[in-house]
Amino acid sequence: SQQGEEDPQALSIQEGENATMNCSYKTSINNLQWYRQNSGRGLVHLILIRSNEREKHSGRLRVTLDTSKKSSSLLITASRAADTASYFCATGKDNAGNMLTFGGGTRLMVKP
Amino acid sequence: DTAVSQTPKYLVTQMGNDKSIKCEQNLGHDTMYWYKQDSKKFLKIMFSYNNKELIINETVPNRFSPKSPDKAHLNLHINSLELGDSAVYFCASGVAETQYFGPGTRLLVL
Repeated sequence: SQQGEEDPQALSIQEGENATMNCSYKTSINNLQWYRQNSGRGLVHLILIRSNEREKHSGRLRVTLDTSKKSSSLLITASRAADTASYFCATGKDNAGNMLTFGGGTRLMVKP
Repeated sequence: DTAVSQTPKYLVTQMGNDKSIKCEQNLGHDTMYWYKQDSKKFLKIMFSYNNKELIINETVPNRFSPKSPDKAHLNLHINSLELGDSAVYFCASGVAETQYFGPGTRLLVL
């Protein structure tokens, strides 16, 4: 079964609006990462948050992590049409590059 | 100067055939991975490999085998292809926690 479950599965917003995606997981983790996948392409790493961190920012991205609830959220502010993609959360059990466990993804559409 | 490359990009083949997908990374990473993405976009780890250790996801059939001629390459060999093997296969390489993905190989088994 998927370690991470994303919510919502699909999200459609207007350009300029904020997009929030959530991820829940089941077991203890060392880190949680978010990746983006444009249609027909590979995944691109966006941001990583470690289990001892609660919030992290990178440009228009804001990630939060609540280990007590085993959940994370990804906020994209001031969305652009180019943000249209699928977004996946992935959990890592250690910092040694072991296998990531991915959620099912949120398909984001940003309408111009 | 592609970081992680895969060939072929598309692969259409008949059931029962044996096929290989090649992966190369020029990032100098020690660890490489293979993932399978099904039609519902679920991404599942198949293998993790570095020069010391191969970790196999126990759900992967033994018809799938990774082969690494050197640190920069991790090829995926599939024996006796089945219809259910149709998917997109992604190679990745990593340093510490972060992974860098190839563009994917779209496999269709007829």
